[in-house]
Amino acid sequence: DVKVTQSSRYLVKRTGEKVFLECVQDMDHENMFWYRQDPGLGLRLIYFSYDVKMKEKGDIPEGYSVSREKKERFSLILESASTNQTSMYLCASSLHPSGQGNQPQHFGDGTRLSIL
Amino acid sequence: RKEVEQDPGPFNVPEGATVAFNCTYSNSASQSFFWYRQDCRKEPKLLMSVYSSGNEDGRFTAQLNRASQYISLLIRDSKLSDSATYLCVSAQSSGSARQLTFGSGTQLTVLP
Repeated sequence: DVKVTQSSRYLVKRTGEKVFLECVQDMDHENMFWYRQDPGLGLRLIYFSYDVKMKEKGDIPEGYSVSREKKERFSLILESASTNQTSMYLCASSLHPSGQGNQPQHFGDGTRLSIL
Repeated sequence: RKEVEQDPGPFNVPEGATVAFNCTYSNSASQSFFWYRQDCRKEPKLLMSVYSSGNEDGRFTAQLNRASQYISLLIRDSKLSDSATYLCVSAQSSGSARQLTFGSGTQLTVLP
């Protein structure tokens, strides 16, 4: 079974703080993703990475950065947290596309982040 | 228009009923599809992958209609534990890992 582990289930931070969310997967997946999920807006892609040290912006990268120094670990960084970044953050990983097409993503438990 | 559209529901059905959800997608380049279930305040979990015309796994059947650009999920003999939000996902080209688009989900409540 694929295991995607996020470092915190619940996190409370203050406006202006630098916040780190960590994600580790144990299945040697090439691709890793960070999403946020808000009521009525569904899952929105922040950043993704298809290889070590490679990253690409998703749909809503503003205010975020990422780091992928090792294949199994993908970190999301909120440079200066703001209240509109209060959300559920989900990390996911997947294999590279196969002959059939894109592979499904496997999600971590999520981090509920509150910015006060 | 959203790339992947789902009826948000809620669908409230009695135990044992058969229920079907539809999902339409706008990008004709979509190659593969997935259904996820998400319980309240939990992460999405993969329910089914659909690479050809459909897939069946026990009480769950997914059917893909490429001509009309929709995919459906049928749940037979509903259980209380099937209560969840069901997310439809389309994957565009195989060349980029980015190209997964999630629908907003359909909420199902199975009533005793």
